Amino acid sequence: DTAVSQTPKYLVTQMGNDKSIKCEQNLGHDTMYWYKQDSKKFLKIMFSYNNKELIINETVPNRFSPKSPDKAHLNLHINSLELGDSAVYFCASSQDGPSAGNQPQHFGDGTRLSIL
Amino acid sequence: LAKTTQPISMDSYEGQEVNITCSHNNIATNDYITWYQQFPSQGPRFIIQGYKTKVTNEVASLFIPADRKSSTLSLPRVSLSDTAVYYCLVGDMGAGSYQLTFGKGTKLSVIP
Repeated sequence: DTAVSQTPKYLVTQMGNDKSIKCEQNLGHDTMYWYKQDSKKFLKIMFSYNNKELIINETVPNRFSPKSPDKAHLNLHINSLELGDSAVYFCASSQDGPSAGNQPQHFGDGTRLSIL
Repeated sequence: LAKTTQPISMDSYEGQEVNITCSHNNIATNDYITWYQQFPSQGPRFIIQGYKTKVTNEVASLFIPADRKSSTLSLPRVSLSDTAVYYCLVGDMGAGSYQLTFGKGTKLSVIP
């Protein structure tokens, strides 16, 4: 069983389109995250939710909107895609939130987003 | 701006011990230091975590000095399968508020 699963694995789309990436974890964790990894392999946190509540919201464009229907799911919707959005997006989960001292995170295998 | 810094790359021969150091001058008081390993086309994988002094598990050791402004991941007797990118992750207070910050990663190449 995959602990943190993301869909789709690859996403190729045109500039200006709207797309969503889904993430599910079956670990029973309370906290989920979205990260962006650019072409230089730098990992940068975008959002974090704890029990469906937003707890980390880094400086990302308003075009990115996370949604957590329940604590096992954290989806990422992106409006009006731009060339600079091309990257690998990783979902992760941990037992507790960062305020509990930075708990070990389990990562999905990423969604490779390519903007044409 | 808050910074978490680590060497960009390292090379090592098989069977040697490898030490990768991460500097995190503004680590949050109650935060753990966590290290991850990433292979191509995969998500980062948790290796080890510590708060102070030394932590050892079946794959690595983590050394943390008393001031906690740095940490060193030690991989004993590396093999070719240890070729990967290694990241440290800390909660950083350098910008005045808590920021979860990954280092830029150290690409370890193990040579036969």
